[in-house]
Amino acid sequence: KQEVTQIPAALSVPEGENLVLNCSFTDSAIYNLQWFRQDPGKGLTSLLLIQSSQREQTSGRLNASLDKSSGRSTLYIAASQPGDSATYLCAVRYYGGSQGNLIFGKGTKLSVKP
Amino acid sequence: GAGVSQSPRYKVAKRGQDVALRCDPISGHVSLFWYQQALGQGPEFLTYFQNEAQLDKSGLPSDRFFAERPEGSVSTLKIQRTQQEDSAVYLCASSRTEQLSTNEKLFFGSGTQLSVL
Repeated sequence: KQEVTQIPAALSVPEGENLVLNCSFTDSAIYNLQWFRQDPGKGLTSLLLIQSSQREQTSGRLNASLDKSSGRSTLYIAASQPGDSATYLCAVRYYGGSQGNLIFGKGTKLSVKP
Repeated sequence: GAGVSQSPRYKVAKRGQDVALRCDPISGHVSLFWYQQALGQGPEFLTYFQNEAQLDKSGLPSDRFFAERPEGSVSTLKIQRTQQEDSAVYLCASSRTEQLSTNEKLFFGSGTQLSVL
């Protein structure tokens, strides 16, 4: 069974700290991997999408990396701010699945303290 | 519209009742997706439409679940004879093209929270 695991489940950091969120997946035959953020009572916001042929993607203070051979991705957040507080979800699309057929992790709940 | 709109925002149903959940995607978006998110879990894929065609319904948990998008815009997810295990947030998402990529992303609605008593 294809699974996506996110560690830690929750993380609390002081404002300004750099942090790393981890995502691991069981099958290396992925098509792409995405990172989302979810605010309470809201839908998901797409942050970064990495194709299987790519190693990383950057957007502002966010950098996502992908290592297919080890089945891992990391989301690096630089200079964290209280507004970054949310749940961060990793999702994988595998070959053979349609474009929306994503396998999600349970997320990492991030709290950035002012 | 400016974003993906879902209605109702909350729905309480008695066990055995039928419900219909509506999704208005961003105008002009070709692809539309439904997901189910149980409390404390990540979303789980239900079904995918490209225009009016339902290309993937492999995630629908049982034949009580039915989705349609007859004119290639608004979509409805129908659940017949609701059960307590159907309680979850149902999320709809859309994308502009047929292929997600670095520059073509999913846009999500805020979801419908379904509670089956």
